Amino acid sequence: DAGITQSPRHKVTETGTPVTLRCHQTENHRYMYWYRQDPGHGLRLIHYSYGVKDTDKGEVSDGYSVSRSKTEDFLLTLESATSSQTSVYFCAISKGQTGNTEAFFGQGTRLTVV
Amino acid sequence: AQTVTQSQPEMSVQEAETVTLSCTYDTSESDYYLFWYKQPPSRQMILVIRQEAYKQQNATENRFSVNFQKAAKSFSLKISDSQLGDAAMYFCAYRSWAGGGADGLTFGKGTHLIIQP
Repeated sequence: DAGITQSPRHKVTETGTPVTLRCHQTENHRYMYWYRQDPGHGLRLIHYSYGVKDTDKGEVSDGYSVSRSKTEDFLLTLESATSSQTSVYFCAISKGQTGNTEAFFGQGTRLTVV
Repeated sequence: AQTVTQSQPEMSVQEAETVTLSCTYDTSESDYYLFWYKQPPSRQMILVIRQEAYKQQNATENRFSVNFQKAAKSFSLKISDSQLGDAAMYFCAYRSWAGGGADGLTFGKGTHLIIQP
C-alpha cells in the first residue's frame, strides 16, 4: 500500500462544467501521475509531475490541466467537461529519486459526464 | 514510441489448471522494465510481477512466472494452479529505463481472465 487516496471515488457532472479530481499521497514520493482507463485502450497517461510545480504532458493531455502545489497533492482539472472525458481516472506514484520503477495506483475515480 | 500488444482479449481456464497470457512489445531501447498488473472487479490496479530487461533470469512470484524473450520482444505471464481469486483483467506494461520517472507506463489493452470452477 503506497498510501494513495483519490477523491471523489465517483462523480457525475454535466457537460461544460469544471471538474477537479484530487490525489493525495502520504509518503512524499517525487513522481505522481494521472492516467485514464477506457474500454479497449488500457490505461493512458494524461499528465505527470516530478516535483512541486513541476508537471508535464502525457499521451492524452488535451482538455486536462494539473497542479501540484504540495508534494502530497496532485490535482487533475477538466476545465470544461465533455462526454469524451467519461472514464475511470487513476492516480499513481513511482518511488525513488529517479522514479523509473513500477507504479503504485490509487483506487480510481469513475467520472461520468452527461 | 513504445507499443504493447496483448493479443488475447479474453482467456478461460479451469480452476487448478495453468494458463499463459501473451504480451509483445515494440521498442528500440535496450534497457527497460516490464510489468504485469492485475485488475479485479474492485478496480484496484495490483502489481503482479516485474522484470528488468537486463536480467536474463525470468521473474517468479509464487504461482506467477514470466517467460521473457528479449530478442523476440515477448513477455508472457504464466499462472499455475489457477484459483478463483485470479479472475481479473491483466495488463502488460512497459517502462523505459532511460526516461526515468518522466516516462509513464505504456499499457496493453488487457486480457480478461475467467476461472471456471
